[in-house]
Amino acid sequence: GENVEQHPSTLSVQEGDSAVIKCTYSDSASNYFPWYKQELGKRPQLIIDIRSNVGEKKDQRIAVTLNKTAKHFSLHITETQPEDSAVYFCAAATRTDKLIFGTGTRLQVFP
Amino acid sequence: NAGVTQTPKFQVLKTGQSMTLQCAQDMNHNSMYWYRQDPGMGLRLIYYSASEGTTDKGEVPNGYNVSRLNKREFSLRLESAAPSQTSVYFCASSERLAGAYTGELFFGEGSRLTVL
Repeated sequence: GENVEQHPSTLSVQEGDSAVIKCTYSDSASNYFPWYKQELGKRPQLIIDIRSNVGEKKDQRIAVTLNKTAKHFSLHITETQPEDSAVYFCAAATRTDKLIFGTGTRLQVFP
Repeated sequence: NAGVTQTPKFQVLKTGQSMTLQCAQDMNHNSMYWYRQDPGMGLRLIYYSASEGTTDKGEVPNGYNVSRLNKREFSLRLESAAPSQTSVYFCASSERLAGAYTGELFFGEGSRLTVL
């Protein structure tokens, strides 16, 4: 069935370092790949997304890369700050109009 | 604009009781979703509605029913609650992007349900 795998489940970095989160998806027809950030007790909110006709997209300190052949995509956060600490979810839109999420990565940024 | 509003925010049920979670959006979106969130499991899709008048099963539909009442409202019903349904439930809505199967999901604040 349709599936999105996400790694790692937890990630601890020092402030100023980079963080990378990786996801793979199963539906080769997926064409939209968003990333959500969820702070403790809050709702998930979109931070960046990419469509299948684009290989990379940047927005200030965050970037997403997509490799359609390998069916994986990654989130890169540079110059991490304590306020980046949260749970991050990747997702993939399937040909059946569903958005399937990965299991999440808890990022902790230590000062 | 309120965005996506879901009620109630908190609910405690006994095993076997029924309840309905209500969700409404004011963004004129076509698609609406119900997810549940459990520790370590991420957001799992229960049911979704790609457009008014249609509903489809997601990853974990067993024990739930949904109704797309109109374009704004999408409710989730637990007919006979079980402890395994203890979770945080999120409703979301989206509009399809050109050339994509869906677009950004806008989430409600969540409903924390405990089944004893």
